[in-house]
Amino acid sequence: KNEVEQSPQNLTAQEGEFITINCSYSVGISALHWLQQHPGGGIVSLFMLSSGKKKHGRLIATINIQEKHSSLHITASHPRDSAVYICAVPPGALFGNEKLTFGTGTRLTIIP
Amino acid sequence: NAGVTQTPKFRILKIGQSMTLQCTQDMNHNYMYWYRQDPGMGLKLIYYSVGAGITDKGEVPNGYNVSRSTTEDFPLRLELAAPSQTSVYFCASSYSGGLYGYTFGSGTRLTVV
Repeated sequence: KNEVEQSPQNLTAQEGEFITINCSYSVGISALHWLQQHPGGGIVSLFMLSSGKKKHGRLIATINIQEKHSSLHITASHPRDSAVYICAVPPGALFGNEKLTFGTGTRLTIIP
Repeated sequence: NAGVTQTPKFRILKIGQSMTLQCTQDMNHNYMYWYRQDPGMGLKLIYYSVGAGITDKGEVPNGYNVSRSTTEDFPLRLELAAPSQTSVYFCASSYSGGLYGYTFGSGTRLTVV
């Protein structure tokens, strides 16, 4: 099983700040997923990435496969970004995405 | 687009009762999943299916059963409910095993008393 650690567990920031959330895992993988869980509980896929960087709006995800580490950045943060951000990884590089291990999430609160 | 529809949204069960959580998707996704989310813990996979007629166990399958008779439906059956099954349950679906992300249902909050 792949062990996933996210940091920080909780993050509070002022509107407009640049946000970084980190995810580390123990076993080499082919791809990593970032998800967002809204305060109401709904979960949305943000990114799947296997190398380098992906960008969607103000969200940027990066991954370093060799260092077993990924980061999720939010530029010009806004109160609507307040949510729990979750990373998830497969058991290993030879495995598909069916049996993901999920981190416990980073709870982000953006204050106006 | 309805996406993934889960019912019910809330349910209270007594110990020993049984129930079925319903999950339907209208995106023609071949993969479907059931997860449970306990407070302070990451999502844990209960069962998944890679297509109609094919199901497999996840990390925490004990006390649950599933079936996948159609592409659209993936119900989760709880037999003999126990307090340890108190949790929030999420159904999800994906095309091609998550290569293009996942679509989640809105969740079912189940309490066993």
